[in-house]
Amino acid sequence: GQQLNQSPQSMFIQEGEDVSMNCTSSSIFNTWLWYKQDPGEGPVLLIALYKAGELTSNGRLTAQFGITRKDSFLNISASIPSDVGIYFCAGRINSGGSNYKLTFGKGTLLTVNP
Amino acid sequence: GAVVSQHPSWVICKSGTSVKIECRSLDFQATTMFWYRQFPKQSLMLMATSNEGSKATYEQGVEKDKFLINHASLTLSTLTVTSAHPEDSSFYICSARDQASGDEQYFGPGTRLTVT
Repeated sequence: GQQLNQSPQSMFIQEGEDVSMNCTSSSIFNTWLWYKQDPGEGPVLLIALYKAGELTSNGRLTAQFGITRKDSFLNISASIPSDVGIYFCAGRINSGGSNYKLTFGKGTLLTVNP
Repeated sequence: GAVVSQHPSWVICKSGTSVKIECRSLDFQATTMFWYRQFPKQSLMLMATSNEGSKATYEQGVEKDKFLINHASLTLSTLTVTSAHPEDSSFYICSARDQASGDEQYFGPGTRLTVT
């Protein structure tokens, strides 16, 4: 099925650095979501964005819903070792006909060197 | 809140046998649950959408007779992999849609299936 273009594919950073990753799509979504997945576990919802232009923070995480509704970015400030994991963006069309299905990006593998 | 469990967390079975995986929403009711499959170092691929009280909707290329889905209650959906083969070995993850919380999907911890 369709996938979002998520970049970068992987990042190696030093503890304390800021991180930025983004997702783009050829089609419009009503909702953008960011998940984090640790090895051998299911994804955990980090941030949900519901309106074009919306900027939302969750602790050291900040995400924005692009004005065109075709993109989103996630920033992590002052990274710490426990930020290690795979980050996925996901887009959703909010209608019963779509069954509220999510379309996922391919993920960004983040490694933080202490 | 919004906790989803899966059972078992891992299972090893022999080729030709069937395996059932359970997905439960523990603190909310979910009329819709989703089943995903994830191969190593890859993203989640949606297999099917499970709606309580009705037949599941399968994504293109997913065999409905091989991956049987039942959503008999508002808190439980099951995925049965029938006549399993080694190529069915994968990480299976379910999610449940919480209509009371922005329609967000909350994921279970996943089930690692190994078919020998």
